[in-house]
Formats: sequence, C-alpha cells, structure tokens
Amino acid sequence: DTEVTQTPKHLVMGMTNKKSLKCEQHMGHRAMYWYKQKAKKPPELMFVYSYEKLSINESVPSRFSPECPNSSLLNLHLHALQPEDSALYLCASSQEQVNPEAFFGQGTRLTVV
Amino acid sequence: RKEVEQDPGPFNVPEGATVAFNCTYSNSASQSFFWYRQDCRKEPKLLMSVYSSGNEDGRFTAQLNRASQYISLLIRDSKLSDSATYLCVVNDGRGGFKTIFGAGTRLFVKA
Repeated sequence: DTEVTQTPKHLVMGMTNKKSLKCEQHMGHRAMYWYKQKAKKPPELMFVYSYEKLSINESVPSRFSPECPNSSLLNLHLHALQPEDSALYLCASSQEQVNPEAFFGQGTRLTVV
Repeated sequence: RKEVEQDPGPFNVPEGATVAFNCTYSNSASQSFFWYRQDCRKEPKLLMSVYSSGNEDGRFTAQLNRASQYISLLIRDSKLSDSATYLCVVNDGRGGFKTIFGAGTRLFVKA
C-alpha cells in the first residue's frame, strides 16, 4: 500500500472551475513533488517543495498553483484549466530533495471538459 | 540529445528469460540514479537505486557506468509479474536537484 495519499482519485472539471488536488504523507519526508503524466509518457516534474519552501517550478503555467501548508501536506490548486491539462497528476515525497528515492501516491486522474 | 534516454521498447520475452535495459544520461554531474517500475494505470514504484559499485536485489541487478554515462538493469528468470514499464530516473544535480525520468521501456513477459 502506498504511504502517500492523494485525493480525489478522479476529477472532472470545467474550464471555468476552481478545484484543488490534495496529497498527504506521514513518513516524515521533507521533500514533496507534483508530477504530471500523460498517457504513454513518463512523469514530468512540475514543482518541488523542500522543507515547505518551493524549490523548483518547472515553468508551469500560473493556472496551476502549489501550496505546502505543512510538512505533511501538499496541495495543487487548479483554475481556468484547458482540455490539454487532462492527465494523471502524481504526488511524491522523499526524505530529502538531495536523496530523491521517492514514494508516489496513486495519482488523481483529471479530465478537463 | 535528451537528458535521459532509454532503450525503445517494447521487449517481448518468454518466462525465464534474462532481459537487460540500458539508459544513458547527458549530464556528467548527475548525482543519483534509480530504476522505477510502473504498471498500467498505476503510480511509479521505486525498484532500486543504482550505485557505482552495482546493486543486486534478488533477480534484479543494476549497474552504473559513470565514464560512459549509462545505467543498466538486468532481470534474470523473468516472471509474468515482471511485465511493466521500467523507468530510468536521474537526479540531475542542477537547479536544485531536478529529477528526470526517461521515457520508459515496456516489458511483456509471456508464458
């Protein structure tokens, strides 16, 4: 069983909606990640938080807004998405950013209509 | 040149076969290396880390060649349950230790 929990598992949203994806881990990891994965493609890194501070933003459009309220939680706020943003969104955590043996959550399958 | 490149797949092998995957990376300053496994419509799971001295875990052996900038994964005595996509992952070390995934190699093990 994964120790990184993501909710919701599935999400369908309209282009004018605002929604949030949530991720939680209780392994004491200090690095947390958001990835986007399209079908038959590898995960693409979006954001990295290290010790609750944004460490890496891979030039992600501002319609995706990450938030790290505490060391166990990571959110991804979504607003005015496009149909091409439909994908599997994966959260991961690792002990430290410099030691990225990561555990992934099961992902949120997002469909933008 | 892509930052991380893997053998194009898919690999179709019979049960019991030995199969090897290769992966090359472009940044010589890369810090750490991993193999992940991803089943269809599931999340990636860490299979093993790759160390300079090599790393073995049961039927799986991973090796790193820093001089040639490649990583390999050997699976011996393939099982049906080994069917999955194998992802080579490199921690780039630039810009805050960016983790980069290869495109993945699909393995089908058949009875």
